[in-house]
Amino acid sequence: KAGVTQTPRYLIKTRGQQVTLSCSPISGHRSVSWYQQTPGQGLQFLFEYFSETQRNKGNFPGRFSGRQFSNSRSEMNVSTLELGDSALYLCASSRTRQVSSGNTIYFGEGSWLTVV
Amino acid sequence: QKEVEQNSGPLSVPEGAIASLNCTYSDRGSQSFFWYRQYSGKSPELIMFIYSNGDKEDGRFTAQLNKASQYVSLLIRDSQPSDSATYLCAVRSIIQGAQKLVFGQGTRLTINP
Repeated sequence: KAGVTQTPRYLIKTRGQQVTLSCSPISGHRSVSWYQQTPGQGLQFLFEYFSETQRNKGNFPGRFSGRQFSNSRSEMNVSTLELGDSALYLCASSRTRQVSSGNTIYFGEGSWLTVV
Repeated sequence: QKEVEQNSGPLSVPEGAIASLNCTYSDRGSQSFFWYRQYSGKSPELIMFIYSNGDKEDGRFTAQLNKASQYVSLLIRDSQPSDSATYLCAVRSIIQGAQKLVFGQGTRLTINP
């Protein structure tokens, strides 16, 4: 079955602009999480969505936002881009939110964002 | 103290030897543990997950969990050059009803032919 799909894969934006990234989870998966990965900070949790509701949020400013649609697809938005927002943004999906042996999370290929 | 700690490496291991990667975590209530492999420029790929104390084997990979000591490790037997990557330890727990998955910084592993 198809994996987690993220678009676009690569993009370049200028400071002050905004960007929207899209994620389509694995079919049947209802939980979608977003992560930011940078060389200095590693993988950092942004937020998690389940059933169109944000369930958990990491320590990022309000410029970072997201949403989930009824088909479980998710988008994240970053407004007023800063140079430090340059990173790999990863989306991950899992079937449910339960901690169980059958509920592992799988990552998409990521969206590489460069802010100049 | 970081919630999940890994030695950043680089860890160099000769081909055919056993590579041992370690991870410690601070939240004693953590319930599930994952090892991901990430090649340069690629996204993390799930290798193994473990929930119960003890060892779990899958091919050349063995995950070991010791909840009392709060560490989880990954052993790679018969290391191959293709195993060269960064290995990320991730710990998941439920805190006040919210699922939280925390990653370590990753250990960069190099297998030398």
